[in-house]
Amino acid sequence: SQQGEEDPQALSIQEGENATMNCSYKTSINNLQWYRQNSGRGLVHLILIRSNEREKHSGRLRVTLDTSKKSSSLLITASRAADTASYFCATGDNQAGTALIFGKGTTLSVSS
Amino acid sequence: GAVVSQHPSRVICKSGTSVKIECRSLDFQATTMFWYRQFPKQSLMLMATSNEGSKATYEQGVEKDKFLINHASLTLSTLTVTSAHPEDSSFYICSARTGGVMNTEAFFGQGTRLTVV
Repeated sequence: SQQGEEDPQALSIQEGENATMNCSYKTSINNLQWYRQNSGRGLVHLILIRSNEREKHSGRLRVTLDTSKKSSSLLITASRAADTASYFCATGDNQAGTALIFGKGTTLSVSS
Repeated sequence: GAVVSQHPSRVICKSGTSVKIECRSLDFQATTMFWYRQFPKQSLMLMATSNEGSKATYEQGVEKDKFLINHASLTLSTLTVTSAHPEDSSFYICSARTGGVMNTEAFFGQGTRLTVV
């Protein structure tokens, strides 16, 4: 099963520009996470935002969460070619025995 | 962070044969691991939840006899694709979560690219 939609599905930008990706989900959540996947590889955790948080920063990443709209956004500032990857949001509860459910993902291409 | 190792990274097999994929948690014990499948340019679809010492829980539409999961120890889960067919060609990824209120992120293996010819 999938939790929701990400948009855009694909995003192409130039180095130095900002990239914004959005994620919507369907159910109530404890937290929402963003992951990155380089082509043909596993996923790497980027950032987690809890349901009682509205915004969180980590380096060049900024995540917002609007639980009333069941949506989140990931902003990558001053993008680099190395940021080229697919980005997924995921939701799941705090229990280790529960799987994360992923959105459809946004494929980001950053050209130099 | 925690490390999950998946092997092999790529495998090509003939139609009708079986393929085993291993997923190991290297520096933590994982009572639960998760297997996902990913088609090109698509998201991860949860196939099953692997529980140490008990039967796996499969998602709707996933054939348990086709995708055999064994979780015999706290650090190893295996996924066997039995009697593989070309439509089983896909990218398979395992994952584990370390648990606890503060440890809610998931750690992923490198993935296995299965090609059935």
